[in-house]
Amino acid sequence: EDKVVQSPLSLVVHEGDTVTLNCSYEVTNFRSLLWYKQEKKAPTFLFMLTSSGIEKKSGRLSSILDKKELFSILNITATQTGDSAVYLCAGLSGNTPLVFGKGTRLSVIA
Amino acid sequence: DTEVTQTPKHLVMGMTNKKSLKCEQHMGHRAMYWYKQKAKKPPELMFVYSYEKLSINESVPSRFSPECPNSSLLNLHLHALQPEDSALYLCASSLSSDSTYEQYFGPGTRLTVT
Repeated sequence: EDKVVQSPLSLVVHEGDTVTLNCSYEVTNFRSLLWYKQEKKAPTFLFMLTSSGIEKKSGRLSSILDKKELFSILNITATQTGDSAVYLCAGLSGNTPLVFGKGTRLSVIA
Repeated sequence: DTEVTQTPKHLVMGMTNKKSLKCEQHMGHRAMYWYKQKAKKPPELMFVYSYEKLSINESVPSRFSPECPNSSLLNLHLHALQPEDSALYLCASSLSSDSTYEQYFGPGTRLTVT
């Protein structure tokens, strides 16, 4: 059975801190790994990672995939209170469109 | 236009009611999805439509009935729901159901079954 595991499940940091969120996966016919940010409603897309070792960046967020070790990390530098959200990792396979992890709830306090 | 819209935003219905959730996108996407999300849980896939044909039904009870009238619209018809069906229902679309394309989510419909 396909599985995506995220850690930690929750995290509290102060503004300005750097955080690293982890995602490991076991997905048959793996194609890509996706990161989403979910605040009050729908997840918003952050990154899609298909190739190993290539970092994707968007502002203070960056992410990388390791296909050998079957994991990905999401880094957020200089965190702000607006980064508070649940960060979801999802594996994309040839069988099921998206297999989500349980998410990491990030709280950034001023 | 990179938006998926959903109506209504909130819905309260009794167990004997019949209602429908609507989803629309105008991005030319040919795959559309329904997810159910309970509080503090990740989204769970319910249905996938690819080129207006149902391609995946994740063992969803028959009280949920999807419909894809055309490539831009996706409906979810609800009948005889149970209180445990109360959740956020998310619609998403992607260029195709080929897994190399990311999914765009709508804002969701928060459903309460009384």
